[in-house]
Amino acid sequence: QQQVKQSPQSLIVQKGGIPIINCAYENTAFDYFPWYQQFPGKGPALLIAIRPDVSEKKEGRFTISFNKSAKQFSLHIMDSQPGDSATYFCAASRGITGGGNKLTFGTGTQLKVEL
Amino acid sequence: EPEVTQTPSHQVTQMGQEVILRCVPISNHLYFYWYRQILGQKVEFLVSFYNNEISEKSEIFDDQFSVERPDGSNFTLKIRSTKLEDSAMYFCASSVMGRGNTEAFFGQGTRLTVV
Repeated sequence: QQQVKQSPQSLIVQKGGIPIINCAYENTAFDYFPWYQQFPGKGPALLIAIRPDVSEKKEGRFTISFNKSAKQFSLHIMDSQPGDSATYFCAASRGITGGGNKLTFGTGTQLKVEL
Repeated sequence: EPEVTQTPSHQVTQMGQEVILRCVPISNHLYFYWYRQILGQKVEFLVSFYNNEISEKSEIFDDQFSVERPDGSNFTLKIRSTKLEDSAMYFCASSVMGRGNTEAFFGQGTRLTVV
């Protein structure tokens, strides 16, 4: 019940395309859903995050769509660029007052944007 | 921009030896975490730490592991009697608060190789 399932495992798109990465969760106590971007040899870096009280959030070229009833959320990258080539992880956590922010990560998607 | 720093970047140790991985969290952050990522797999939560004590730990974080904040700036992960399966990238992270909707900043990681 603590798992976050992510698909696809890898994705290749052409420059300017719109890659979509999907995640699904089971634990209804999750209330914070961030996406992390990781380049080789680097730590994960927060890209964008959403709370379940909204269905969509946009930041620049990155959009999260959230479907609370289906317990699914997805990342869309508009006008993708070669510099977006990285591994993307979805994650989820519970808002615990005074507690730690334990993130449960998905399995990751390796995105390659070709010229 | 403030960042989480980890040392060393790469540690090679013999099976059965003890290792200490070091982290300097962002200075005004109050919550500290260790995660690990086995090569090609997802990032997994190990432990969260607040107010000089463990606030949550995963089933991975057994008696072989311990954490400590020995002074006002460092946060360490000790692995006693390392095993081959401890080989992984270990990430330290910190956040201002522990609630689920605050950003966790990750360090660049320490690659631990047990031989």
